[in-house]
Amino acid sequence: DAGVIQSPRHEVTEMGQEVTLRCKPISGHDYLFWYRQTMMRGLELLIYFNNNVPIDDSGMPEDRFSAKMPNASFSTLKIQPSEPRDSAVYFCASSSAGGIGNTIYFGEGSWLTVV
Amino acid sequence: QKEVEQNSGPLSVPEGAIASLNCTYSDRGSQSFFWYRQYSGKSPELIMFIYSNGDKEDGRFTAQLNKASQYVSLLIRDSQPSDSATYLCAVNGNNFNKFYFGSGTKLNVKP
Repeated sequence: DAGVIQSPRHEVTEMGQEVTLRCKPISGHDYLFWYRQTMMRGLELLIYFNNNVPIDDSGMPEDRFSAKMPNASFSTLKIQPSEPRDSAVYFCASSSAGGIGNTIYFGEGSWLTVV
Repeated sequence: QKEVEQNSGPLSVPEGAIASLNCTYSDRGSQSFFWYRQYSGKSPELIMFIYSNGDKEDGRFTAQLNKASQYVSLLIRDSQPSDSATYLCAVNGNNFNKFYFGSGTKLNVKP
């Protein structure tokens, strides 16, 4: 089975540019998560969706960040305008709906560098 | 206060020893507890999960949960250099679908 697929794997962009990260969750999974990982702050939950609907975006750092999920197999995380402090690894993850023991599975990450 | 706390390490153990990794969490309503391993430059991968008090064993790995103390641990027996990685503790809450991660403990297993 294909896992969570993210693109691009690596991106270097200049400050002020728009960045779009893409994610395809595991087929059949109802939940999609966007995480950001840095050395200083660890793995932070930015937003998550259930059946394409944003459920909790309290982790989105500011208005420069936006996320969409137009259908069950695609999501985007957009940063506009980007800043050097946005440099991080952005992980997309997905999970199926369920109770105890429900686990999430990560994509390989998008490594973003803003210069 | 962060939802999940871990000692950042590094924790160094010799090959063949038992590595003990610890995690505390703040939400008493947390239901399930997970250990993920993350190699440098890679994404987190699930090792195991636990949801009942006590021990759960899977090969060389044992997860231990004490809900009264809000404490979960991971023991790695017969540690191997290939176990050298960062170990992330994660918990989910009442709705089972929001996962909080600790900042991870870096483990070094020396040959």
